[in-house]
Amino acid sequence: GQNIDQPTEMTATEGAIVQINCTYQTSGFNGLFWYQQHAGEAPTFLSYNVLDGLEEKGRFSSFLSRSKGYSYLLLKELQMKDSASYLCAVRSATDSWGKLQFGAGTQVVVTP
Amino acid sequence: GAVVSQHPSRVICKSGTSVKIECRSLDFQATTMFWYRQFPKKSLMLMATSNEGSKATYEQGVEKDKFLINHASLTLSTLTVTSAHPEDSSFYICSARGQQGRGETQYFGPGTRLLVL
Repeated sequence: GQNIDQPTEMTATEGAIVQINCTYQTSGFNGLFWYQQHAGEAPTFLSYNVLDGLEEKGRFSSFLSRSKGYSYLLLKELQMKDSASYLCAVRSATDSWGKLQFGAGTQVVVTP
Repeated sequence: GAVVSQHPSRVICKSGTSVKIECRSLDFQATTMFWYRQFPKKSLMLMATSNEGSKATYEQGVEKDKFLINHASLTLSTLTVTSAHPEDSSFYICSARGQQGRGETQYFGPGTRLLVL
């Protein structure tokens, strides 16, 4: 099975940086995804990591360490619109269809 | 970036009727599509996995005769909620997996909000 842990909530001020950690245990790893979900909307794809290292995409970066079962999503220059739930999801290599196992999500609250 | 569409975005129906939701991948071929349900302030719940040309695989506790899934092509999957009841009211979201650019993608559609009266 898979266990995915991420903090429930984080609060930061506009313009700051926030790092959302995600730890996972999986029987065979085949990729880690980060999604953003605003209230009442569907998740939006942010990043995909399958190899160790940092992937940077504008204000958002995602890091993966497979040996540690650890990832983080870094949000820089926070804006009010970044207030949302951030979902960490892991794909297991043992699932032939590539199902994602989701963490419970981290609610990020950006304050003025 | 990739786009996955869903139609309708919102539907209200009477109890006992059936509702069909379409999910399309617009600029890539989806090898696999997933159907999720989400209740307010709850996590996404995977209902079933859909592959083109084969029967869907349902998660434990999901009634396959109530939630009919058809994956007619590499860009279209449909979910039909048969004989809908008020407890089926929820936010239904599809997700499409495929290759785009340099790697693997899995994108969500915008979701369909179903209200059964």
